[in-house]
Amino acid sequence: AQSVTQLDSHVSVSEGTPVLLRCNYSSSYSPSLFWYVQHPNKGLQLLLKYTSAATLVKGINGFEAEFKKSETSFHLTKPSAHMSDAAEYFCVVSHYNYGQNFVFGPGTRLSVLP
Amino acid sequence: GAGVSQSPSNKVTEKGKDVELRCDPISGHTALYWYRQRLGQGLEFLIYFQGNSAPDKSGLPSDRFSAERTGESVSTLTIQRTQQEDSAVYLCASSLVSSGRHNEQFFGPGTRLTVL
Repeated sequence: AQSVTQLDSHVSVSEGTPVLLRCNYSSSYSPSLFWYVQHPNKGLQLLLKYTSAATLVKGINGFEAEFKKSETSFHLTKPSAHMSDAAEYFCVVSHYNYGQNFVFGPGTRLSVLP
Repeated sequence: GAGVSQSPSNKVTEKGKDVELRCDPISGHTALYWYRQRLGQGLEFLIYFQGNSAPDKSGLPSDRFSAERTGESVSTLTIQRTQQEDSAVYLCASSLVSSGRHNEQFFGPGTRLTVL
């Protein structure tokens, strides 16, 4: 089976400081990994994805994530938070060998303080 | 091209009524998913369609919930005898399957269901 753990349900940072949202996964296969963002009352938007190419993945809005197989982690980072980054972030693991393929983490709510 | 669309965007119904939610996936996407998201919660998987294979219904919470898909096109999610706990945003997503691999999901804007 596949599973995703997002270690923090809520992260609060000051504007201009770094962001770190943690994600650990479990999969019997080499998975694809995704981060999605959901702004209040908005739909889900893909931030970035890892599909077995470069382990450091760059996404939109200055976010990036590094796939570390030895640590089964795919943490999301951004050097400098902006007020507009305040949202809910979901880490997702996927492999086509599993039935419904995409397993979502519980989400991390990011607050950005002025 | 057009993204995933869902209708209606909002639905208010009375307890005990049936509702039907619609999803139009991106053209060419053979995989289609339904999720439920309660207020302040994460995504709860409901059902998954892939091409002509039997759907994965393992996430449907009760026999009041059912879904159909016409070929690789439109899908409808039906909730019979709605209950207040069914109130949530229902999200649809589609993805492209190529060479047996699933690419990222594209989400629709959701249908906000309120059961009074």
